[in-house]
Amino acid sequence: QKEVEQNSGPLSVPEGAIASLNCTYSDRGSQSFFWYRQYSGKSPELIMFIYSNGDKEDGRFTAQLNKASQYVSLLIRDSQPSDSATYLCAVVLNDMRFGAGTRLTVKP
Amino acid sequence: NAGVTQTPKFRILKIGQSMTLQCTQDMNHNYMYWYRQDPGMGLKLIYYSVGAGITDKGEVPNGYNVSRSTTEDFPLRLELAAPSQTSVYFCASSYPLGQGGPGNTIYFGEGSWLTVV
Repeated sequence: QKEVEQNSGPLSVPEGAIASLNCTYSDRGSQSFFWYRQYSGKSPELIMFIYSNGDKEDGRFTAQLNKASQYVSLLIRDSQPSDSATYLCAVVLNDMRFGAGTRLTVKP
Repeated sequence: NAGVTQTPKFRILKIGQSMTLQCTQDMNHNYMYWYRQDPGMGLKLIYYSVGAGITDKGEVPNGYNVSRSTTEDFPLRLELAAPSQTSVYFCASSYPLGQGGPGNTIYFGEGSWLTVV
């Protein structure tokens, strides 16, 4: 079982829609959870992090964490073409481990 | 305002050659990391270090070596390059993760594109 799993996609949504990205992790001791965005040919950039159960909102982005289900998600509201990128879920125990990423395309 | 700096940005190696990817950070972070990212894939941890003189293996350490003589520098050495090492390499740094601060995250360099032919 992979430590961090994401649907590889690609995920395609129309402009203005909600994009939903999902991630599961295997180690119950994982302490904090991150979402990164990576444009092609660029390094990952942090979108947001979450470490308590529930929702955390930052602008158009909402992270959701359910430790009992070992599940973390990212919702992007009012999706824009500039949101088209690969989204990486990362989980921290002693170091940071990444999922394979979900490629999102937002169509105008 | 440099952050994490990696060199070189691009390099072509022949099979069996060796090289060192340089990484330096100016944020006074204790933790440093090397990841590799194959096309269309996520990042795999090669090695990491929690402080000068301390290094540890990640998920995919075979074929690589690291050293950490200073807080700022964390070079990655490829010995006897193989085509399987063709990848993008990212150096990163952070304050202590997890219990060191739940919001502490890692900061990436711009990447080094390596091709082994």
